[in-house]
Amino acid sequence: QQQVKQSPQSLIVQKGGISIINCAYENTAFDYFPWYQQFPGKGPALLIAIRPDVSEKKEGRFTISFNKSAKQFSLHIMDSQPGDSATYFCAASTNYGGSQGNLIFGKGTKLSVKP
Amino acid sequence: KAGVTQTPRYLIKTRGQQVTLSCSPISGHRSVSWYQQTPGQGLQFLFEYFSETQRNKGNFPGRFSGRQFSNSRSEMNVSTLELGDSALYLCASSLVWGSNTEAFFGQGTRLTVV
Repeated sequence: QQQVKQSPQSLIVQKGGISIINCAYENTAFDYFPWYQQFPGKGPALLIAIRPDVSEKKEGRFTISFNKSAKQFSLHIMDSQPGDSATYFCAASTNYGGSQGNLIFGKGTKLSVKP
Repeated sequence: KAGVTQTPRYLIKTRGQQVTLSCSPISGHRSVSWYQQTPGQGLQFLFEYFSETQRNKGNFPGRFSGRQFSNSRSEMNVSTLELGDSALYLCASSLVWGSNTEAFFGQGTRLTVV
């Protein structure tokens, strides 16, 4: 299957807290897992991405954790700020099975960070 | 470096009409992909072009088509518009075709079909 399942659908976090968004996939051929951030009226912006040969990648306050055996990956936003309020999408892609590189997106998580 | 540019930003069309959307990728990027974003279905892949050739196509009817020019600019066309075609159409560019390449999105074209 090509699906990527994302949860939760919405998330409210206090300023300074940790935001955690989870994604699960079925296709073991996926080999690239990016996260995108989208503000209203804007296109998705690449936030951070990981490949299955590593279990964790950190860039600033953003960390991806990857569990290959469970076919799950998650985004952690440390010290969440009101400016992080946006919709976050996980995605996956593969070069195999006829889908050569196109991104399969989760349904998105709307994050609200309260001051 | 200029980002991905999509024109127009907003369009209102009538059912049955056709529409053409344009995308200029980041300079040096040769792959262009198109996605449809709706509240119900989320982000769905339409097609991808590389070196003027369609490399991959999503599960959309034949009314949706596209092309890429020698300068990597791309257009997508939707014929015989239906109300359900109302969506944000996003273009993404990347250096090369295939997985493991970073895709950068434009701001999209908001199409409303009335």
